[in-house]
Amino acid sequence: KAGVTQTPRYLIKTRGQQVTLSCSPISGHRSVSWYQQTPGQGLQFLFEYFSETQRNKGNFPGRFSGRQFSNSRSEMNVSTLELGDSALYLCASSSQDSSGETQYFGPGTRLLVL
Amino acid sequence: KQEVTQIPAALSVPEGENLVLNCSFTDSAIYNLQWFRQDPGKGLTSLLLIQSSQREQTSGRLNASLDKSSGRSTLYIAASQPGDSATYLCAVSSSGNTPLVFGKGTRLSVIA
Repeated sequence: KAGVTQTPRYLIKTRGQQVTLSCSPISGHRSVSWYQQTPGQGLQFLFEYFSETQRNKGNFPGRFSGRQFSNSRSEMNVSTLELGDSALYLCASSSQDSSGETQYFGPGTRLLVL
Repeated sequence: KQEVTQIPAALSVPEGENLVLNCSFTDSAIYNLQWFRQDPGKGLTSLLLIQSSQREQTSGRLNASLDKSSGRSTLYIAASQPGDSATYLCAVSSSGNTPLVFGKGTRLSVIA
């Protein structure tokens, strides 16, 4: 089975722009979670989608949004980018429950905001 | 609010040494605990998952233990190798369908 894929792998944007990141989960997996990783804060949960519905949401501003499609692929969008949004964005998939079973992580998208 | 702490933040050991990484969490009412490995610039790889009813899990040279009452977990790595060099992250889930809360990790360097 192919693993979790994320596109693009690297991205450079300027303040005020918006960005869309994509995540394709492992075939058959219905749960997709997104995390932001920075040196200072570590890994922080953004949101989780299951069967096209947002099931959990972390403590991030409304500039961060996401969605999931019927094929379980997920996208996250960040509007009005700030310097502090520079981070590694990771997505993870699991078949049912994001906490009850192993999550499989993608390689991440490294976003640099200038 | 669940908080996860990993000490030390960094560790350097000679090849062949056995070592222990520590993880502590503030709320003992957890659903499960997972250990992950992250190589520089890469995503996370799941190493071991311990359900709340379990005391330990083993995979090859790795052994993870869980003591819910004291809010602690340890990851034991036997006969360390340079290929074990990575950051090791501990994460807990407080209940089903709740997101993982991660520690900041321990950066391990195994010197040949």
